[in-house]
Amino acid sequence: KNEVEQSPQNLTAQEGEFITINCSYSVGISALHWLQQHPGGGIVSLFMLSSGKKKHGRLIATINIQEKHSSLHITASHPRDSAVYICAVNSLVYGGSQGNLIFGKGTKLSVKP
Amino acid sequence: NAGVTQTPKFRVLKTGQSMTLLCAQDMNHEYMYWYRQDPGMGLRLIHYSVGEGTTAKGEVPDGYNVSRLKKQNFLLGLESAAPSQTSVYFCASSWRGAPTGELFFGEGSRLTVL
Repeated sequence: KNEVEQSPQNLTAQEGEFITINCSYSVGISALHWLQQHPGGGIVSLFMLSSGKKKHGRLIATINIQEKHSSLHITASHPRDSAVYICAVNSLVYGGSQGNLIFGKGTKLSVKP
Repeated sequence: NAGVTQTPKFRVLKTGQSMTLLCAQDMNHEYMYWYRQDPGMGLRLIHYSVGEGTTAKGEVPDGYNVSRLKKQNFLLGLESAAPSQTSVYFCASSWRGAPTGELFFGEGSRLTVL
């Protein structure tokens, strides 16, 4: 089952470019998370959203509940943004109240200087 | 602040051996989770806990046991390791359940079963 699909799988960008990573899901959700996994393996939560848009520094996350789609944007990209970006959703069907998140496979971003 | 700490970070086991992974959090979080991450797949939930003394099965619980005797610690045990359990294991915690609570992850534990 692929309830959460991310695109692209791999993305190479030049420093300074505007980057968009997409996440589509096929189930009803109560929340969507964007996570960042560093090259060393550690995972950091970037955003959690259930509607609209959130911004933190150069990162912007949007979600369209009707279209079952979310995007993560990075403005003025930098080599330190190189990481794997993971989308995860809390499915209203499978997740339950305790929140078994369904994770996408991730988008590997490489930003070249 | 330590946040979420996993030990050990690396371990090599032989088939049939047992081991325990320890996850410790210092944020007084109620919820704790164990995930595994395999190449080409998203993170998958093994077991989780919604408070001290409680545990529940996730998506892939077979071959693993857990315990949450103290609120700050969540242990993941492999009684008889199998090569299929070669993976990177992540512990996470949150103040509220994942639907509404930000997740805090440990650095991961890489386990190889020969």
